[in-house]
Amino acid sequence: KAGVTQTPRYLIKTRGQQVTLSCSPISGHRSVSWYQQTPGQGLQFLFEYFSETQRNKGNFPGRFSGRQFSNSRSEMNVSTLELGDSALYLCASSLRTLTDTQYFGPGTRLTVL
Amino acid sequence: DAKTTQPPSMDCAEGRAANLPCNHSTISGNEYVYWYRQIHSQGPQYIIHGLKNNETNEMASLIITEDRKSSTLILPHATLRDTAVYYCIVRGDSWGKLQFGAGTQVVVTP
Repeated sequence: KAGVTQTPRYLIKTRGQQVTLSCSPISGHRSVSWYQQTPGQGLQFLFEYFSETQRNKGNFPGRFSGRQFSNSRSEMNVSTLELGDSALYLCASSLRTLTDTQYFGPGTRLTVL
Repeated sequence: DAKTTQPPSMDCAEGRAANLPCNHSTISGNEYVYWYRQIHSQGPQYIIHGLKNNETNEMASLIITEDRKSSTLILPHATLRDTAVYYCIVRGDSWGKLQFGAGTQVVVTP
């Protein structure tokens, strides 16, 4: 089976712009979670989608949003980018249930100038 | 979800077993112990998980104490490619949410 894929792998934006990142989960997986990783804060949970519905949300401002499509692919959007949004954004997918293992993609490295 | 405590770093000689400890003294009965590792700037890689019994797969072994308050990840024959940050995570009833701590930086030396 192909793993979790994320596009693009690298992105450079300027402050005030917005960005959309994409994630394709492992075939058959219906849950997609997003994480932000920075050197200072480590890995932090953003939100999780299941069957096109947001099921859980971390402590991030409303500038961070996401959605999931009927084929389980997911996108996350960050509006009005700030320098502090520079990070590795990771997507993870799992089958369905609470304790299913999450498998991570390679991440999208976002740099905000 | 319960919090975990891991040593910040450890070194291991190539070919030797690496034993990575994790303390999770506040774990509750329905919480699983998961281990992931992350090689620099790549996505975390799943290694193994368990509830009560010891587990083994092609990558590692997981030893969970009887009271479940601590566990040890064992890499039986460490290679240079095992150099990574290893995260111990306790996961309960939070949908989709994994809480990562600082992890243990493991350096395997020739």
